[in-house]
Amino acid sequence: GENVEQHPSTLSVQEGDSAVIKCTYSDSASNYFPWYKQELGKRPQLIIDIRSNVGEKKDQRIAVTLNKTAKHFSLHITETQPEDSAVYFCAASTAGGSSYKLIFGSGTRLLVRP
Amino acid sequence: EAGVAQSPRYKIIEKRQSVAFWCNPISGHATLYWYQQILGQGPKLLIQFQNNGVVDDSQLPKDRFSAERLKGVDSTLKIQPAKLEDSAVYLCASSLQAGAFRETQYFGPGTRLLVL
Repeated sequence: GENVEQHPSTLSVQEGDSAVIKCTYSDSASNYFPWYKQELGKRPQLIIDIRSNVGEKKDQRIAVTLNKTAKHFSLHITETQPEDSAVYFCAASTAGGSSYKLIFGSGTRLLVRP
Repeated sequence: EAGVAQSPRYKIIEKRQSVAFWCNPISGHATLYWYQQILGQGPKLLIQFQNNGVVDDSQLPKDRFSAERLKGVDSTLKIQPAKLEDSAVYLCASSLQAGAFRETQYFGPGTRLLVL
């Protein structure tokens, strides 16, 4: 089945610097890759997603890149701010029979130091 | 647009007791998911419904966990009897559909379960 690996598990950056989180997946048929931000004690919230027909997508300070050949995708946050501190999860879609679901990575705890 | 609702928000029980969680998805969302999130890990899918039918329950410990989605809207997840290792946050999510560019999942606030 699909397996998603996420690195690093923790990331500490200075305010204003960039942060990069990387994920790899195993199912070459995966075609949808969302990223979620989860603040302490709160629900995961979708921040950006990308589909397999696109190599890069940007939304203000956040961008995601996808390399289908290498089966990896990355989240880039530029000009980081203290409110970006949270746990970030990547996910990849997988399908089998009538099921279409997401497999999540183990998460990256991002700390932005003021 | 109202989000996914869950209750209760917190629950403390002793092992071997029973517990039930409730989820109300976003109106019009056909697909509903229950996830288990253990501290420090990503969400793990337990069961997926399409309307009121189960499409994936391969990761659901069926000897103790059960779930239903009445009339294709609200859903309940039950654990009976609970074990210590069931301590986790139980997240409900919903999407318009599964796949077909309508698969964006929106999560509820979760129910934090502690089994003593």
